[in-house]
Order: sequence, then structure tokens, then C-alpha cells
Amino acid sequence: AQRVTQPEKLLSVFKGAPVELKCNYSYSGSPELFWYVQYSRQRLQLLLRHISRESIKGFTADLNKGETSFHLKKPFAQEEDSAMYYCALSGRRTTDSWGKLQFGAGTQVVVTP
Amino acid sequence: EAGVAQSPRYKIIEKRQSVAFWCNPISGHATLYWYQQILGQGPKLLIQFQNNGVVDDSQLPKDRFSAERLKGVDSTLKIQPAKLEDSAVYLCASSLRRLATGESEQFFGPGTRLTVL
Repeated sequence: AQRVTQPEKLLSVFKGAPVELKCNYSYSGSPELFWYVQYSRQRLQLLLRHISRESIKGFTADLNKGETSFHLKKPFAQEEDSAMYYCALSGRRTTDSWGKLQFGAGTQVVVTP
Repeated sequence: EAGVAQSPRYKIIEKRQSVAFWCNPISGHATLYWYQQILGQGPKLLIQFQNNGVVDDSQLPKDRFSAERLKGVDSTLKIQPAKLEDSAVYLCASSLRRLATGESEQFFGPGTRLTVL
């Protein structure tokens, strides 16, 4: 069965410190992995996806197929990074499950000055 | 570009009552999704539409939940009768889903917060 696990419900870091949000998944096949973010009083929005290999707002995420992980990292946290972060997966483009997102429970990040 | 619109934003009902939520996706987005997000959990997909056809409703509790997208644009999600455990935020999302380019980003609405007493 496919599953997304985010082991930390809350992550509290100081401004300027590195931050890493953990995400582990189980999926039979090769999924697409995403990070979504929800800032206070805003909508859920896409932060980044593994196939793009981009750095968005200083965040990067590397897909480790051996460890089935997709951890999100930022070397220097900023106060505006305080938000709820969700890891999600879907099937690849050629599969029926493409676009059907399965989300983890989320990690609340609090960046204190 | 206007985003995904949802109404109402909040709804409080008593158990066994009925409730309906409305969603207007981004113009041109053929794919529409309804998610249920219970407090402390991530969103869970309930149903996916492609134009006005259902692609996947495997996680929709069909004994009490129904959804439609008659003209391939707006969609409504209904619960009848509601139970206490239906208290959640109901999110609507839409996407283009271009197979050729791999574009499939989902854009989410603000959600409807349902409280069942």
C-alpha cells in the first residue's frame, strides 16, 4: 500500500539555522514526489517537485530511492518560512494514478528570531 | 488569473442534516479534485473529475457523499446525512494535466470548514 510518512509534527528552529523536514514513502513503482506548503491564512500551494530539480525559496529536496525518502532542506531558515509543510506523492505520468496526490500528515515549522 | 473559488467558507450543521459545497475551478482546467482534510491530517482525495466524468471515486463514502460536475466546470459535493466524523476542511483543487508536457500542478481553493455538532 502506498503511504507517506512525515515523522515530525512540529519543527522549531532559530532564524539562520538549517532546517530539514523528513519525508519517507512507500510505493510500488516509481512515484512523483512533491512538497506543498500552507502559510498562515493562505491556500495550500506547490513548493517543489522532484522531477524539476529546482531550488524554490532556498529549499531543495532530493529523492533517495534506496531509502525511499524525499527530505526537504534549507541551509538558513527565515521567519517567513514558518508554515505547514506537506509531502505528497502520485503515480508517474504514464500511470492511472498520475495526479492523484497522497499526502503526509504535515510538519509545522516555526522559525523564531 | 482568478484562483479556485469555494463556498461557503464555513458551515456548522447538526448530525443527520445535509450540506452542500460548491467549487469553481480555474478557467480551462479540465481536472477537478475534492479532498477531505481532518484536523491533524493531510488532505485525502475523495473524488477526481476529468471534464464532467468521474475518474476516481474509490475513497468517496458513497452511502452519504455524492459529487457532480454536470457541465464540466463547477462542481458540488454533498453530504447526506452528515455524521460527527465528517467534521473537516473540504478542499477543491483543479489542474490542467497536460500529458505531453507532464504539467499537472494542482491549484487549491481556500476550503470549506465543516463542523458537525
